[in-house]
Amino acid sequence: GQQLNQSPQSMFIQEGEDVSMNCTSSSIFNTWLWYKQDPGEGPVLLIALYKAGELTSNGRLTAQFGITRKDSFLNISASIPSDVGIYFCAGTRLQGAQKLVFGQGTRLTINP
Amino acid sequence: DVKVTQSSRYLVKRTGEKVFLECVQDMDHENMFWYRQDPGLGLRLIYFSYDVKMKEKGDIPEGYSVSREKKERFSLILESASTNQTSMYLCASSSQVISIQYFGAGTRLSVL
Repeated sequence: GQQLNQSPQSMFIQEGEDVSMNCTSSSIFNTWLWYKQDPGEGPVLLIALYKAGELTSNGRLTAQFGITRKDSFLNISASIPSDVGIYFCAGTRLQGAQKLVFGQGTRLTINP
Repeated sequence: DVKVTQSSRYLVKRTGEKVFLECVQDMDHENMFWYRQDPGLGLRLIYFSYDVKMKEKGDIPEGYSVSREKKERFSLILESASTNQTSMYLCASSSQVISIQYFGAGTRLSVL
């Protein structure tokens, strides 16, 4: 099945640094979701985006639904140790679609 | 809060055994999903169900079957476990109205 192109695949940063990751698709998406998976746990929803150009924040996290509807970005400001984990983008191409298309994930490692 | 509960966090089985993975959700969601997660391969959809007794194959259904006799419960069955089915298995649920999927904590299955 199709997967979204998520980059980077992994990041090694210092505590306090800002983080940026993105997801791209060759086709238009109607919904973009960002999940975080802590080690040994299931993914947890961070942010949901429903409109092109939409910019949504959740604490130190900010995500944007790209204007072309073919991409989305997630930024984390002033990273802290508990930000460690795998971040996944996901989306649907059709309104009311039941299945999600997932990116392959960005693994974030933070050096204290 | 949505709760998706997977019956086991860790399972160790022998090759050839029949294995049942159980998932229960408490939000009256119509849709339920089974994924497997392997390093470098992201989340891959095995099966999903959009109603009781209804099921559809995902991207990698071979070697698996599912059962949904009640709305809140979705079971994944490995008819004859093989070593290449060693993986992390994630269950998720969503409503018909919103695409957001809520995940369980996962079951890490080892087949020896």
